[in-house]
Amino acid sequence: NAGVTQTPKFRVLKTGQSMTLLCAQDMNHEYMYWYRQDPGMGLRLIHYSVGEGTTAKGEVPDGYNVSRLKKQNFLLGLESAAPSQTSVYFCASSYERRRDTQYFGPGTRLTVL
Amino acid sequence: AQSVTQLGSHVSVSEGALVLLRCNYSSSVPPYLFWYVQYPNQGLQLLLKYTTGATLVKGINGFEAEFKKSETSFHLTKPSAHMSDAAEYFCAVSRYGTSYGKLTFGQGTILTVHP
Repeated sequence: NAGVTQTPKFRVLKTGQSMTLLCAQDMNHEYMYWYRQDPGMGLRLIHYSVGEGTTAKGEVPDGYNVSRLKKQNFLLGLESAAPSQTSVYFCASSYERRRDTQYFGPGTRLTVL
Repeated sequence: AQSVTQLGSHVSVSEGALVLLRCNYSSSVPPYLFWYVQYPNQGLQLLLKYTTGATLVKGINGFEAEFKKSETSFHLTKPSAHMSDAAEYFCAVSRYGTSYGKLTFGQGTILTVHP
């Protein structure tokens, strides 16, 4: 049982480039989330999904898009990266009936130059 | 709206000393409260949570927290710090009955443990 995994672990982009971060979970969780973590600001919710084929905006969605084509995968896309998107990105998932407890992946450290 | 305030971005203790990390929240409805720990270069791991019932909650690694509604607090304690406790700790609140379990996190407290 791998839990929540994220790909890649590290990435450096130039301003204007695009990329996709992949999150996968093998716990059959319905709910999945993308957060960004910045120093002194805790974690902030970017987008979330309550099931396959559904997504919704969180607190800081601008500049990001997401897709949940398969229940186990949640993709976060940056269409045109900006230096303000330099951050550590965490994916999390939770059971529908126990959505109070979220399980986190190891994170992706993204630097935009 | 709900919010979380962690008092002190850095806390330093000696090995064997009491650990106290402070968390205050604001919520218009009964909250769910959480403490997560993040070790260097890792994701967040749940330490403990309060949903309903007993207000003193015990978690992993000897940590516990007490929900005090009158003080809107959920402070994290451990009687005797260990070097392995050095990490960043996040308090979070989730509003009971939310449709997707949205967590609002505090800013985090970095715990340093000295020999």
